[in-house]
Amino acid sequence: SQQGEEDPQALSIQEGENATMNCSYKTSINNLQWYRQNSGRGLVHLILIRSNEREKHSGRLRVTLDTSKKSSSLLITASRAADTASYFCATVENSGYSTLTFGKGTMLLVSP
Amino acid sequence: NAGVTQTPKFQVLKTGQSMTLQCAQDMNHNSMYWYRQDPGMGLRLIYYSASEGTTDKGEVPNGYNVSRLNKREFSLRLESAAPSQTSVYFCASSEAVPSGAGNTIYFGEGSWLTVV
Repeated sequence: SQQGEEDPQALSIQEGENATMNCSYKTSINNLQWYRQNSGRGLVHLILIRSNEREKHSGRLRVTLDTSKKSSSLLITASRAADTASYFCATVENSGYSTLTFGKGTMLLVSP
Repeated sequence: NAGVTQTPKFQVLKTGQSMTLQCAQDMNHNSMYWYRQDPGMGLRLIYYSASEGTTDKGEVPNGYNVSRLNKREFSLRLESAAPSQTSVYFCASSEAVPSGAGNTIYFGEGSWLTVV
C-alpha cells in the first residue's frame, strides 16, 4: 500500500512564486526521496534526504524532514513555467531489505 | 546516454492475449524494477530484481511474471491480459536496492498498455 501521501493533490501558482508540497508517511523510514514527472514522461530523481537529516538544498529546491511528525516538505523557490509537472515523494522503510514506495503525487501548474 | 530503455512505447491488446514488455539499462546497475501507474494511484511496484538471478514480488504482482535475463535486461510478461491491466508501465533501475545506501532510481519513459 502507498506509504507517502502528498498534499495538496494539485497546486496552481504564477511564475516567480514559491511552491510548497507536503508528504506524510506512516512507518519509520531510512530515507525519503522526491521525484518529478513531466507529462507523458518517466520520473526523474530530484533530491534524497536521510532520516538523520532535517533539511537539504539543491538549487531552487529545499526539502525538510520531520521524523517525529512523519512528514516532509518540498519547496520550489522562484518557480518557472518549466517546473510544471507532478511531484512524488517516495520512502524507503527502515526494515531491512526495502524498495521505494511512492505517494500519489502533487500536480503543479506554474502559469507564465 | 540511453539510460533505461523500454519497449514497446504503446500497445493495444485484446483480453486474453499475452505480451512481454522489454527493458534494458546501460548503467551497470544491479537492481531493476517494474512499476505500474494508474490515475490517482501513483506508482505501484509489480516486481523487482535486487540483483542478477533474483526476482521478488512487489505490491501488485498478480497477473504478471518477470525474467531477469542478464544484468542489463528485465522483462515483464502478461500471460493473459485483462482490462484491469490497462496502465502505464515503467521500468527502472538503481545501483542497489534503495534501503541502506539510499540509492536513487532511474526510470524509463514508460509503456502505455491498453487491454480491450
